[in-house]
Amino acid sequence: DGGITQSPKYLFRKEGQNVTLSCEQNLNHDAMYWYRQDPGQGLRLIYYSQIVNDFQKGDIAEGYSVSREKKESFPLTVTSAQKNPTAFYLCASRGAGKKTQYFGPGTRLLVL
Amino acid sequence: DQQVKQNSPSLSVQEGRISILNCDYTNSMFDYFLWYKKYPAEGPTFLISISSIKDKNEDGRFTVFLNKSAKHLSLHIVPSQPGDSAVYFCAASAGEYGNKLVFGAGTILRVKS
Repeated sequence: DGGITQSPKYLFRKEGQNVTLSCEQNLNHDAMYWYRQDPGQGLRLIYYSQIVNDFQKGDIAEGYSVSREKKESFPLTVTSAQKNPTAFYLCASRGAGKKTQYFGPGTRLLVL
Repeated sequence: DQQVKQNSPSLSVQEGRISILNCDYTNSMFDYFLWYKKYPAEGPTFLISISSIKDKNEDGRFTVFLNKSAKHLSLHIVPSQPGDSAVYFCAASAGEYGNKLVFGAGTILRVKS
């Protein structure tokens, strides 16, 4: 059945380490997004991609990087430059010509 | 600069009664509004949306009202059920394809049985 998958569900990062969060969708959606949620706050946009091989920075892109080599996949790398990476990370996608974004189950990133 | 505000951090309602969740926005360019429901440690689930050309949209127990002059929208849930207990996020977007969603901070709804 169609949907958005994120892995892993929990991820631990050591100081100075880069980690990559996976996001895959089989909805044939063109656009994909990464958001971050902190306790008591709404979701904030990190990066988004409207088409393969193209992506734009969102509101809080510093310390993050992405790639969009395939339509189905939009991995997010949390680099060592991100000084406060502990958060709940959510991936979303949107179909062409549509305005509603649909979300995956999320990945919780914790720093050791 | 909070463009989308949900001023009530929490709301408690008796089962069977109406739940009203409110959202205010400041950006007059917003033309599409959405409500999402979220359980802890899960992704948000889309509930209902409304375009700025409408003032009401209904889907089952859920109705969203939009007052553009007041830059205010509300979500009504009737009747409220214990399973409705969750965090509700209001979101808004501008432009033809609404690429960027701007979220409020969320309102925790507790439905008591």
